[in-house]
Amino acid sequence: QVQLQESGPGLVKPSETLSLTCTVSGGSVSSGSYYWTWIRQPPGKTLEWIGYIFYTGSTNYNPSLESRVTISLDTSKNQFSLKLRSVTAADTAVYYCARVVGPTDSWGQGTLVTVSS
Amino acid sequence: DIQMTQSPSTLSASVGDRVTITCRASQSIITWLAWYQQKPGKAPKLLIYGASSLQSGVPSRFSGRGSGTEFTLTISSLQPDDFATYYCQQYNSYSWTFGQGTKVEIK
Repeated sequence: QVQLQESGPGLVKPSETLSLTCTVSGGSVSSGSYYWTWIRQPPGKTLEWIGYIFYTGSTNYNPSLESRVTISLDTSKNQFSLKLRSVTAADTAVYYCARVVGPTDSWGQGTLVTVSS
Repeated sequence: DIQMTQSPSTLSASVGDRVTITCRASQSIITWLAWYQQKPGKAPKLLIYGASSLQSGVPSRFSGRGSGTEFTLTISSLQPDDFATYYCQQYNSYSWTFGQGTKVEIK
């Protein structure tokens, strides 16, 4: 059974870059059967899809975040990563990495990232 | 972007009740719709995909219906473990969107 685990700083200063990594076990990010995605949830609010990456390296991003987001793949480490630039307090959220097979069928536990000076 | 609107926002019900949550899409998504359950401090859990297909391991008291722009999630007999927040999500377009959530509370 696939497992996903987010890692990265829990506190980021305004205007800096948020960087998170998702380590996948029990499955391969090189599989052509899945997309790998990042989703976030501000405190008390609904879920927001950030973007996804396919094993080929092709990506697709939420238009509202596209100018600030990069998702990349490291097949040697079986990981994928998120970079969100120029963060503000509005980017404070629990960030989830997940596997997509149409619907999102496997999720990491989530990591809270707070943007504050 | 396709907007997803859920109703109600909050639902108060008792154990054993039949409950139904509605999700409407701003344009047709055929049956590219999923339902998730989320408990406080936990990641969402996939319940239903393709509007009506039950994810493996999910109790049969959960069911989904609909196509086009209107969809429902029904819990046939509410159990104590079902008190949670439920989200719909469309994955028809290349920009996926979620509903605002429906919190199912104990009456």
